[in-house]
Amino acid sequence: SAVISQKPSRDICQRGTSLTIQCQVDSQVTMMFWYRQQPGQSLTLIATANQGSEATYESGFVIDKFPISRPNLTFSTLTVSNMSPEDSSIYLCSVGGQLDYGYTFGSGTRLTVV
Amino acid sequence: AQSVTQLDSQVPVFEEAPVELRCNYSSSVSVYLFWYVQYPNQGLQLLLKYLSGSTLVKGINGFEAEFNKSQTSFHLRKPSVHISDTAEYFCAVTLGAGNMLTFGGGTRLMVKP
Repeated sequence: SAVISQKPSRDICQRGTSLTIQCQVDSQVTMMFWYRQQPGQSLTLIATANQGSEATYESGFVIDKFPISRPNLTFSTLTVSNMSPEDSSIYLCSVGGQLDYGYTFGSGTRLTVV
Repeated sequence: AQSVTQLDSQVPVFEEAPVELRCNYSSSVSVYLFWYVQYPNQGLQLLLKYLSGSTLVKGINGFEAEFNKSQTSFHLRKPSVHISDTAEYFCAVTLGAGNMLTFGGGTRLMVKP
């Protein structure tokens, strides 16, 4: 199964600033997924990133707030823009090209906005 | 669209006791089912999955789950839990490879000595 390197692992940011989270996969994958896990809650899909096309956002998430780049089949970034304390969450990337291996997740980025 | 309901937000249990974490799903088409575990301050780890075939699937750390299509359930069980099993457990479904995973709300398993 794929191995994902996600960074940063955690950050504390000032409100109004932006943070870019990176995910590097050790193999080529078509689809990458970005999730948010708010404190004490489950995972919610932010968007699906397909190489070579615009990301597809779920209801409640917009590109201006969470721009995503997918320049090639092994890399993606998620930016959390103009942050507020409500953006304090764990952000995770995931790939799931083959069901036999399940879906692999990055280790997550724990973001605190102050 | 598919959805997942985990019926218990918290399950306290004594060490060495059996445990069942309940998961029900809703979908108009066939789905594939997963259980993940998240230990405190760690990422998600795959426990087990149901893709096809035998409805009883075995996973890591002594966990198993049974797929019941008529009940639309995929409950997770362990015959004897350890303190180290204390974690958050998530049930998830997908329509197929390359599709998103939809997660249940999670169940916090608290194993007491």
